Amino acid sequence: EAGVAQSPRYKIIEKRQSVAFWCNPISGHATLYWYQQILGQGPKLLIQFQNNGVVDDSQLPKDRFSAERLKGVDSTLKIQPAKLEDSAVYLCASAVSRSYEQYFGPGTRLTVT
Amino acid sequence: GESVGLHLPTLSVQEGDNSIINCAYSNSASDYFIWYKQESGKGPQFIIDIRSNMDKRQGQRVTVLLNKTVKHLSLQIAATQPGDSAVYFCAEPKDSGYSTLTFGKGTMLLVSP
Repeated sequence: EAGVAQSPRYKIIEKRQSVAFWCNPISGHATLYWYQQILGQGPKLLIQFQNNGVVDDSQLPKDRFSAERLKGVDSTLKIQPAKLEDSAVYLCASAVSRSYEQYFGPGTRLTVT
Repeated sequence: GESVGLHLPTLSVQEGDNSIINCAYSNSASDYFIWYKQESGKGPQFIIDIRSNMDKRQGQRVTVLLNKTVKHLSLQIAATQPGDSAVYFCAEPKDSGYSTLTFGKGTMLLVSP
């Protein structure tokens, strides 16, 4: 079974630039999550989708972050404009509907200079 | 290499020893807990879970103990191997109904051959 795919794996941008991350969840998984993991900390949920609807985006900085999952499969997370404090690993995870057993992708390491 | 361990509690053991990783939780209403393992450069991986109506649950070489009185969770790894070296996170549901998890800060386990 193919796992959660993410791209790119690494990205370096300057502050105030824009960046987008892509995630392809495990086939058939209705729930998709985006997490931010700052170095030395646990993952922090940014947004959770159930199919193509948002069920939790309470910790998403909506002035600069946006995410979509238009067809209920792939998802993109965008940051515009980026700040230095956005440097982190962005993890995508998926799960069968309403399951706590989440499957994580390898993450995208973002460095903002 | 990464300096992810600088801000994390670290447990150093010898190969073959038993390891115990601890986690304190704050929400006495939490009824479900999960342990995740994160190897360097990878996303977290589900290890084992436990519901609050249980005190103990065993898997392959791992045991999770739950003490609801003091709101404490532990992960025991028997006969620790170098491949067990990773950061271990406990997680609990953020809200009921949407399978959203809140992750703890993590503990780094270093296994020496």
